Amino acid sequence: QVQLVDSGGGVVQPGRSLRLSCAASGFIFSDYSMHWVRQTPGKGVEWVAVISYDGRYKYYANSVKGRFTVSRDNSENTLYLQMDSLGADDTAMYYCARAPSSAWHNFDYWGQGTPVTVSS
Amino acid sequence: QSALIQPASVSGSPGQSITISCTGTSSDVGGYNFVSWYQQHPGKAPKLMIYDVSDRPSGVSNRFSGSKSGNTASLTISGLQAEDEADYFCCSYSSSSTPYVFGTGTRVSVL
Repeated sequence: QVQLVDSGGGVVQPGRSLRLSCAASGFIFSDYSMHWVRQTPGKGVEWVAVISYDGRYKYYANSVKGRFTVSRDNSENTLYLQMDSLGADDTAMYYCARAPSSAWHNFDYWGQGTPVTVSS
Repeated sequence: QSALIQPASVSGSPGQSITISCTGTSSDVGGYNFVSWYQQHPGKAPKLMIYDVSDRPSGVSNRFSGSKSGNTASLTISGLQAEDEADYFCCSYSSSSTPYVFGTGTRVSVL
């Protein structure tokens, strides 16, 4: 069955970096585009980034552009999110989500999430 | 990019039908048939319930249905059951600077 396992979250000081991972199994990872989405009780759900099935195309939310980098290793079935220059507004639960390559707008499976807290 | 607007809460009795609205603009909900709906139980990952406005993924109960009129999409849950008590949020593709915009979320309570 499709499984996405998010990891790498934690408590980090403002200005520091963190790298999240999403381990995929149960499907052909290289056939799907992959998203990062974050959620907070106050701001709700916010789309963060997407990467095409082959890693050639990457798009970011304005709020993270220039600070976050999405990447993937199709040989390891793993998605990454490198987060630099973190600020308090980046505090959230981060989810990876799968989307068919023909329908990037449909997030058909989600990971369980990994929490990120930015605090001094 | 503003979030899509949903009611904060909707409630109903078992067996009743409820409808959750998701209001956007002509740049997102109104401009494309790329609206999806997600169910999220506390502490759990979101689950896709409806995609492309009204299509249901395999395994999702036919008690869940979606529609759209103008800039507002709707999710209807028929024959409300206790297990439907959860948070629901919509999502739409957008032609603005951020390509995917989510709704503010709705807490569904089964009385």
